[in-house]
Formats: sequence, C-alpha cells, structure tokens
Amino acid sequence: DTAVSQTPKYLVTQMGNDKSIKCEQNLGHDTMYWYKQDSKKFLKIMFSYNNKELIINETVPNRFSPKSPDKAHLNLHINSLELGDSAVYFCASSQDPAGSRNEQFFGPGTRLTVL
Amino acid sequence: AQSVTQLDSHVSVSEGTPVLLRCNYSSSYSPSLFWYVQHPNKGLQLLLKYTSAATLVKGINGFEAEFKKSETSFHLTKPSAHMSDAAEYFCVVSSRGFQKLVFGTGTRLLVSP
Repeated sequence: DTAVSQTPKYLVTQMGNDKSIKCEQNLGHDTMYWYKQDSKKFLKIMFSYNNKELIINETVPNRFSPKSPDKAHLNLHINSLELGDSAVYFCASSQDPAGSRNEQFFGPGTRLTVL
Repeated sequence: AQSVTQLDSHVSVSEGTPVLLRCNYSSSYSPSLFWYVQHPNKGLQLLLKYTSAATLVKGINGFEAEFKKSETSFHLTKPSAHMSDAAEYFCVVSSRGFQKLVFGTGTRLLVSP
C-alpha cells in the first residue's frame, strides 16, 4: 500500500501548455505539501495545506495553483509552463502542521520536463 | 531564519568503513533537525530526527546523529557502510509553528566495493 502517491511519474510537455500533477495520501494526515527539487537536487517548499486550507504559500509564480478537494488529495496545476519549471515535484504529508516534530512522508516524485 | 549547511557535496567511502556526513545549522531558537535519504529516482525517506530529547539520535539502517548545540552541528554517522547506503542525504531544519522544512543542498554518498 503506497502511503503517498503521485501521478504521473514523468511528464514531458511543451512550453505554454497547462498541466496538472495529482497527489493522494492514505495515511489519514491533515497536512499536505508540495516541494520542488531543481536540477542541483535543491528542495524547496512551495505550498502547504491543512484540512484543505492553504497555510504556506512561498514565493511561487501564480501560474502554480494548488487545489485540495479533500484532505487526502492535493493537486498542483501549472499554467503556461516555462522551461524553468522543469524539475522534480514532490508531494508530502504529515500528521498536523503544528510544532516541528512530525515526520513528513514523501511521494515518489513527478519529473516534469518542459521543452 | 533557519538554515542548514551540508559541508560536503560528495563523500566517498569503501564498503565496511565508517560514514560521516556533516551538517551545521543556524536557528534563532532550539531547532528540530532531521536527516532524510533519497535513493536514485525515489522519494525521500526519514532516517532520524532530533526534537530536543536525547542529543544522540538513532535512526534506521544503523545511522545515528548527534546534536551539538555548542558546535551548531548535527552530523550523521554510521559505523560500517553498505553498498545499499549509496544515495543522496539531506540535512533538514524545521521552522517554528507551521511545519516548514528547510533543506540543505544534499550530500551524495558513494560506496565502493
């Protein structure tokens, strides 16, 4: 049973297109996250949702729009894709956002390539 | 703001020899610190975490780390490397309040036979 799953695993698309990445967790967690890992392996948080409510929104272009239909799902929609959006995107979840002690469980990642 | 610095981008060891991956942190309050491992083309897995309890933290797969406040360090060690330990390792500090993880730049561990 996969704890945090993402689809698709690979996504190759042209500049200017709109695409979505889906994330689901079956851990019963209240909080979900999106991270971006660039070509140098640097990981940075993009968004965090707690019980379908946005709680962290880093300096991310508004072409990126997260959507949480329920607390088990956090999807990432990207409009007008640019070359610089090429990266690996990781979804994660944790029990709750309060405090700093809860492990985050990560999905396998989605490798996005923009041509 | 919180930050971590991983002092080595690559570390090479032979199988059966000790592993040391270095991490220094910067935080204006008592931090929570984590080590995550990423195997090739995989997601991240938590190795261990420090949350102001015992300063020597034991994790999975024989790894451990020691929190040293005087040195602002949280180095990861393992007595004897295994081929399966070859991966990217991330030292991570979390922010106060809402859980925002700040990642180091990663250390690639290479293990040779």
